[in-house]
Amino acid sequence: DAGVTQSPTHLIKTRGQQVTLRCSPKSGHDTVSWYQQALGQGPQFIFQYYEEEERQRGNFPDRFSGHQFPNYSSELNVNALLLGDSALYLCASSLDLLIRGDREPGELFFGEGSRLTVL
Amino acid sequence: RKEVEQDPGPFNVPEGATVAFNCTYSNSASQSFFWYRQDCRKEPKLLMSVYSSGNEDGRFTAQLNRASQYISLLIRDSKLSDSATYLCVVIVPSGGSYIPTFGRGTSLIVHP
Repeated sequence: DAGVTQSPTHLIKTRGQQVTLRCSPKSGHDTVSWYQQALGQGPQFIFQYYEEEERQRGNFPDRFSGHQFPNYSSELNVNALLLGDSALYLCASSLDLLIRGDREPGELFFGEGSRLTVL
Repeated sequence: RKEVEQDPGPFNVPEGATVAFNCTYSNSASQSFFWYRQDCRKEPKLLMSVYSSGNEDGRFTAQLNRASQYISLLIRDSKLSDSATYLCVVIVPSGGSYIPTFGRGTSLIVHP
């Protein structure tokens, strides 16, 4: 059973460039969330995709955009890169659970991440 | 106030010690909570889920205090291999959906 896979694992870009990161969720999972983790910080929620739609979005500028495909895989795009975008980008897949009558995310399964360095 | 707060530590303890971490959350409507472990330069992995008052798994115990809006993680008989960052995750209701929201993590160093 393949877990969450992300590509590329490492990449170096310069300011102003654009980057696309890719994620394939765990088999059977339909929800993909993207997180940005700066050094020494916890993962910060970027957005979540479900049924090819952006279901929720965190406090990130419009330079961050995404997409989910019919096979549930997902992409994260960042335009006009800034030095501050240097971070580990984590993709997590999950299934919703019924918790006291509400559909909530279950366990998040993470990929190994894409480490982006902006020079 | 941040939605999820943790003491970043580091907590530096000898092998065999008992150590406890706390995590506070601001949204009283949150119902689901998790503890994740993250090793250096690796992805987070689930340690425990907390849906009711608490959960226990071997040397690890998680407790939830809804009245005071915090969850705790207790590690008994610490091992060198327990050295890692422990991330608290709170499922925060938002606009009809739910966002898994992380704290900044608490660093644990277990020394011989």
